Amino acid sequence: QVQLVESGGGLVKPGGSLRLSCAASGFTFSDYYMSWIRQAPGTGLEWISYISSSGSTIYYTDSVKGRFTISRDNARNSLFLHMKSLRAEDTAVYYCARWTLGGGWFDPWGQGTLVIVSS
Amino acid sequence: AIQLTQSPSSLSASVGDRVTITCRTSQGISSALAWYQQKPGKAPKLLIYDASSLESGVPSRFSGSGSGTDFTLTITNLQPEDFATYYCQQFNSFPLTFGGGTKVEIK
Repeated sequence: QVQLVESGGGLVKPGGSLRLSCAASGFTFSDYYMSWIRQAPGTGLEWISYISSSGSTIYYTDSVKGRFTISRDNARNSLFLHMKSLRAEDTAVYYCARWTLGGGWFDPWGQGTLVIVSS
Repeated sequence: AIQLTQSPSSLSASVGDRVTITCRTSQGISSALAWYQQKPGKAPKLLIYDASSLESGVPSRFSGSGSGTDFTLTITNLQPEDFATYYCQQFNSFPLTFGGGTKVEIK
């Protein structure tokens, strides 16, 4: 079945860096646009980045521009999020999600990986 | 960015009730709206897309309506497994945005 599994979360100090990964299976990864979405503890959802199937088109929300980089490796069915200059407000569960072809909604989502930015 | 305002932010209801959640957008988005259900500790799950299309496998007691700036998610005959938080999301333009959520609790 279609599955997304995130990894790479953990505790990092303010100003530090981290790389998240999302392993995709059960579908032709190279056909789909993908996104990262985060959820700070006890709060709502925030879309942060989107990458086209080839990687040629990328969008970010303003709060992460210049600090986060989304990328993908279609040969390895993997999505990545490189995060640098991390701040306390980046503390959240980070989800990868598949963007529906021809639409704009997310389905499915991975189980999420927790990033804690704290000294 | 398009702002999405959900109301109410929380509600209490009983099994068998009909529940209505509203999502209002700061500008018109045609039908570019999705609804998700999230249970504690779990990832969101898609319920409705294109404002009113029911995702495959989602019970028919869930329905969505609206277009432009005003949208509604309705749950008829509320079941115990429906107690969760619900989010709307617009995909009319970047940045993609979500509503603040509506928590449906047991009365």
